[in-house]
Amino acid sequence: DTEVTQTPKHLVMGMTNKKSLKCEQHMGHRAMYWYKQKAKKPPELMFVYSYEKLSINESVPSRFSPECPNSSLLNLHLHALQPEDSALYLCASSQEGGTEQYFGPGTRLTVT
Amino acid sequence: AQSVTQPDIHITVSEGASLELRCNYSYGATPYLFWYVQSPGQGLQLLLKYFSGDTLVQGIKGFEAEFKRSQSSFNLRKPSVHWSDAAEYFCAVGEGLTGGGNKLTFGTGTQLKVEL
Repeated sequence: DTEVTQTPKHLVMGMTNKKSLKCEQHMGHRAMYWYKQKAKKPPELMFVYSYEKLSINESVPSRFSPECPNSSLLNLHLHALQPEDSALYLCASSQEGGTEQYFGPGTRLTVT
Repeated sequence: AQSVTQPDIHITVSEGASLELRCNYSYGATPYLFWYVQSPGQGLQLLLKYFSGDTLVQGIKGFEAEFKRSQSSFNLRKPSVHWSDAAEYFCAVGEGLTGGGNKLTFGTGTQLKVEL
């Protein structure tokens, strides 16, 4: 099973709302990632978790708050977002080391 | 710092024709190289990867890629394109992170259109 699942598929939120994105994998991977992808652009790395600890934060604004409750789950908590945060948010996972990442289908986020 | 260049933003081919998508990378050591494909509004699917060994690697959906160290290239090829291959293709180079996990650096992507 090489599946990464993400919920919800679509999310529309106002600038004062609080919402969360969820990502799950059951491949036994110990590294998980959040990416942001704008239209016609490549994915941009936001966060890396390794063994449930935050490994990398690519200078992401604090209105994005990641959480890794266990080795299979990764959340992204959203608060006071701006319209420019509208994008496709992708989750990925990988084994440790320089190996391939497996991506979920993404959550299409629209901030109004 | 590592970087990836995909010189072709758009490519159009006829169904049944051969395909080659170009990718050039910059990396100090032996790179980990990947090709991903993305259909509109979808996630990225791994087509193939190169870590070491045989420089011609086979992937899914009939794709292959050849690693050429002397040219710093990792071009993707397919002998006969199908209409369902129309998508965005990303080349990426990866490196391990000290704190765990790995970091992918993507090229800007090549949009493939297939004419019937």
